[in-house]
Amino acid sequence: GAVVSQHPSRVICKSGTSVKIECRSLDFQATTMFWYRQFPKQSLMLMATSNEGSKATYEQGVEKDKFLINHASLTLSTLTVTSAHPEDSSFYICSARDRTGKGYSNQPQHFGDGTRLSIL
Amino acid sequence: GESVGLHLPTLSVQEGDNSIINCAYSNSASDYFIWYKQESGKGPQFIIDIRSNMDKRQGQRVTVLLNKTVKHLSLQIAATQPGDSAVYFCAENPRRQAGTALIFGKGTTLSVSS
Repeated sequence: GAVVSQHPSRVICKSGTSVKIECRSLDFQATTMFWYRQFPKQSLMLMATSNEGSKATYEQGVEKDKFLINHASLTLSTLTVTSAHPEDSSFYICSARDRTGKGYSNQPQHFGDGTRLSIL
Repeated sequence: GESVGLHLPTLSVQEGDNSIINCAYSNSASDYFIWYKQESGKGPQFIIDIRSNMDKRQGQRVTVLLNKTVKHLSLQIAATQPGDSAVYFCAENPRRQAGTALIFGKGTTLSVSS
């Protein structure tokens, strides 16, 4: 079964709405989670690195006040897209890394199945 | 900047053929590489990985080759099946440490016809 759960899988909302996306590690504790964004027919682009109990590290060009990240526990990180606009419409994907650093099931990261965000 | 890229955006093969998907990387400090498969509307699925101290690694129907001299990575899929149709990404980990994010290449769309 899935080791990283992402919720919701799809969101459609009006412009100006804030949307929260959850990323949970189900079978392991993750001190680090990553948030990616993927536009149609493009690759995954790292947005930010989320560390449990500390502030997230954002990639250049990603507005930290726009994309709020909270990693309050070893199994949950949330991404909130504040005052979303049509240009924020995208596929948001999280991944989680095992706290041992060795990788769960010998994999470096485990990915969720993404959240399709559509802003009207 | 340094990034991982793919040679071809699309690859079309017949069922039963062998598929080869290529990737070029530029970060000589990268010591760990992964191939992912992404189906429509889903997250990346791990296929196979390889460390920089190896030049070949085999899995079930898949083989990854690493040529550090020319910074080239390839994924070979034997006896390609329709279920292999997806987008394939190579990714690199510049430093295989906890907290280091993966850098993804641009992706190759594999289409398998029956």
